[in-house]
Amino acid sequence: AQSVAQPEDQVNVAEGNPLTVKCTYSVSGNPYLFWYVQYPNRGLQFLLKYITGDNLVKGSYGFEAEFNKSQTSFHLKKPSALVSDSALYFCAVRDIIYNQGGKLIFGQGTELSVKP
Amino acid sequence: NAGVTQTPKFRILKIGQSMTLQCAQDMNHNYMYWYRQDPGMGLKLIYYSVGAGITDKGEVPNGYNVSRSTTEDFPLRLELAAPSQTSVYFCASSSRTGGDTQYFGPGTRLTVL
Repeated sequence: AQSVAQPEDQVNVAEGNPLTVKCTYSVSGNPYLFWYVQYPNRGLQFLLKYITGDNLVKGSYGFEAEFNKSQTSFHLKKPSALVSDSALYFCAVRDIIYNQGGKLIFGQGTELSVKP
Repeated sequence: NAGVTQTPKFRILKIGQSMTLQCAQDMNHNYMYWYRQDPGMGLKLIYYSVGAGITDKGEVPNGYNVSRSTTEDFPLRLELAAPSQTSVYFCASSSRTGGDTQYFGPGTRLTVL
């Protein structure tokens, strides 16, 4: 069975400090991994994805994520947080093989709060 | 380029009423999805479609129906609304399965009283 865990409901960081939002996954085969961001009363916006190749993936707004197969993790990072990064972040996984219709499994979300 | 559009933005229903949530995409995507988002629960897949005329159940399909008569449109029907269907509903689309990104609409906030 596929699953995604985001162990922290909320992450608080000061503006200018580095941020990390954690994600671990479980799939039967190899994963496709995604990060989305949701601002209040808005839909989900795509940030970045890991398909294959380099384990460090760079995405929108200065975000990056590192795929770690041995730890089954895909943590989202940013070197210097901005107040405008405050939002709800979702990690999602798709099993390459054992999946029909390209369905995504989402984590429960992590609320990121960046204070000035 | 509008992307994925959803109507209405907000709706209040009484228990037992029915309604259709509309979703349309203009990206010529074959794959379309309906999710519901409940606080602290992430997104749960309700139904999905891999092309016109083909639909299948997701994780939480009970109380809902879908149809896909065209590539562009994927309406979600709620029959006999119940308070448990109070949620935010998101439609998404992607060009194909595999590593393709799903693009989301702005959502419909539904309250059943």
